[in-house]
Amino acid sequence: GAGVSQSPSNKVTEKGKDVELRCDPISGHTALYWYRQSLGQGLEFLIYFQGNSAPDKSGLPSDRFSAERTGGSVSTLTIQRTQQEDSAVYLCASRNLVAGPYEQYFGPGTRLTVT
Amino acid sequence: RKEVEQDPGPFNVPEGATVAFNCTYSNSASQSFFWYRQDCRKEPKLLMSVYSSGNEDGRFTAQLNRASQYISLLIRDSKLSDSATYLCVVTTDSWGKLQFGAGTQVVVTP
Repeated sequence: GAGVSQSPSNKVTEKGKDVELRCDPISGHTALYWYRQSLGQGLEFLIYFQGNSAPDKSGLPSDRFSAERTGGSVSTLTIQRTQQEDSAVYLCASRNLVAGPYEQYFGPGTRLTVT
Repeated sequence: RKEVEQDPGPFNVPEGATVAFNCTYSNSASQSFFWYRQDCRKEPKLLMSVYSSGNEDGRFTAQLNRASQYISLLIRDSKLSDSATYLCVVTTDSWGKLQFGAGTQVVVTP
């Protein structure tokens, strides 16, 4: 079946602009996570959604970062007034809490470059 | 101190040889443990979960030592296709939030 999809796959933006990154989880997966991977760094957690609620947004690095999820499906991560340090690969993962408690399936990521 | 620490490598391994590496985690309350594999410029994919009793999946063996707070991965009879970065991952909460090590690079050579 279809996996997690993300768009765009690549995004180049100028410093100060806003960007929106989209994640389509696997159908029926109620849990959705955003991570980012900076060059030479490990993946770091950003935010977790259970349905449309975000019980854990502790990883968002600043108030320029926000995310929402609608219909228990698609999620959008928004970065306002982008900075060069925001350049990274942003990965989305989803999980089926009923069938598989801990396996998270990752999307291919959005590579964000802030110039 | 990072929550999950790994030797970045690279571990250069001749084809057919065995390679093993560890990672350490700092939070004694960590609940679940995994090894993920990440190929260059690709997303991470679950390789295997790690259980207290140790577990094996084909050529891969994972061990967990809760007392010393480390996890190990052993790859036997290495294949060229095993070349990748291996990510040590733990969870510490009920949400399933994954905490990743920076990865250990393995390069299998002919």
